[in-house]
Amino acid sequence: KAGVTQTPRYLIKTRGQQVTLSCSPISGHRSVSWYQQTPGQGLQFLFEYFSETQRNKGNFPGRFSGRQFSNSRSEMNVSTLELGDSALYLCASSWRGAYNEQFFGPGTRLTVL
Amino acid sequence: TQLLEQSPQFLSIQEGENLTVYCNSSSVFSSLQWYRQEPGEGPVLLVTVVTGGEVKKLKRLTFQFGDARKDSSLHITAAQPGDTGLYLCAGAGVAGTASKLTFGTGTRLQVTL
Repeated sequence: KAGVTQTPRYLIKTRGQQVTLSCSPISGHRSVSWYQQTPGQGLQFLFEYFSETQRNKGNFPGRFSGRQFSNSRSEMNVSTLELGDSALYLCASSWRGAYNEQFFGPGTRLTVL
Repeated sequence: TQLLEQSPQFLSIQEGENLTVYCNSSSVFSSLQWYRQEPGEGPVLLVTVVTGGEVKKLKRLTFQFGDARKDSSLHITAAQPGDTGLYLCAGAGVAGTASKLTFGTGTRLQVTL
């Protein structure tokens, strides 16, 4: 079974721009979650989508948004980029069982200049 | 807000040594997961513990969930260079539901020859 894929793997943007990241979950997984990982804050939950609906949300500003398509693929968008948005963005898929075990992709490394 | 503190933050040991990583919280979790993340990759699930007092063994790794389900530990026997990585614990808040996970602060382990 193919794992979670994320594109692109690396991205460099400048302040004020917007960015869209893409995630394809493991086949059969209908839940996709997004996380931000930084050295200072660790791994922080952004949001989760299941059946094209946002089910859970973390404490991030409205500049961070996402969506899920009918094939379970998901995109995450960050508008008006700030320097502090530089991070590794991880996508994880799950079959959303009782323990919500996450299967992570390799991440997209975003650098904001 | 549920917080998970891991200790130590960093650990550098030689091959063959034993070590223990701790994951502590003031909150009760319905289940707890341990992940390992290697450079350039996303975290990989190692184990899920769900019952207070539960002990699970995975080859040289032993995981324990505290009786009160507020803490957990990971013990590695005879560490090997392949054990190098970032170890993360993650707690699920609500039993029987796919609740969002709270990730710990992480323990970075380096095992040298």
